[in-house]
Amino acid sequence: LAKTTQPISMDSYEGQEVNITCSHNNIATNDYITWYQQFPSQGPRFIIQGYKTKVTNEVASLFIPADRKSSTLSLPRVSLSDTAVYYCLVGDMEGGYQKVTFGIGTKLQVIP
Amino acid sequence: DSGVTQTPKHLITATGQRVTLRCSPRSGDLSVYWYQQSLDQGLQFLIQYYNGEERAKGNILERFSAQQFPDLHSELNLSSLELGDSALYFCASSVEREVPHTQYFGPGTRLTVL
Repeated sequence: LAKTTQPISMDSYEGQEVNITCSHNNIATNDYITWYQQFPSQGPRFIIQGYKTKVTNEVASLFIPADRKSSTLSLPRVSLSDTAVYYCLVGDMEGGYQKVTFGIGTKLQVIP
Repeated sequence: DSGVTQTPKHLITATGQRVTLRCSPRSGDLSVYWYQQSLDQGLQFLIQYYNGEERAKGNILERFSAQQFPDLHSELNLSSLELGDSALYFCASSVEREVPHTQYFGPGTRLTVL
């Protein structure tokens, strides 16, 4: 299983762009990179997933360099409601999530 | 609303007891996953079922067991409960072979063992 490393916590002011970087040096060829968001006492929620280069949706962008050994989740103009834990997952999800593990995640605190 | 339902929302019980947590996946999802999240900890994968069959096992204790029924709902049974079993238990479901590969999580069951 590909091991991921991400900061334990980050603070950001409202309106700022937040970038959370995840390292995954031993990512395998078939592995996807996925980010989830979790609010306190709620189940995680899918944010974005990518394999290479850049992916953008209405919530975030995901930047993946050519070597795929890291990835960066970018949240544009965060608000207080973006305060949550963000998980970076790496794994072969083609057949399901059984080969993917959630770590401790990055606790993002948005400050007014 | 993810479409995944879990009952009960809260459960308070005593050490040594046995409880059953229930999960109904999203309509059409064949895979069900169970996770445990203790206070300020990440999600620990417990077990996965696919269309009624056990697909993968994580760090699930022998005191815990699960099953998935023909209507695809799943139950997680926790027995001989200990104080350390107090946690949030999440169920998730997914449609495999779908891109992006997404898990949909339920609201969780908060278990408190006194």
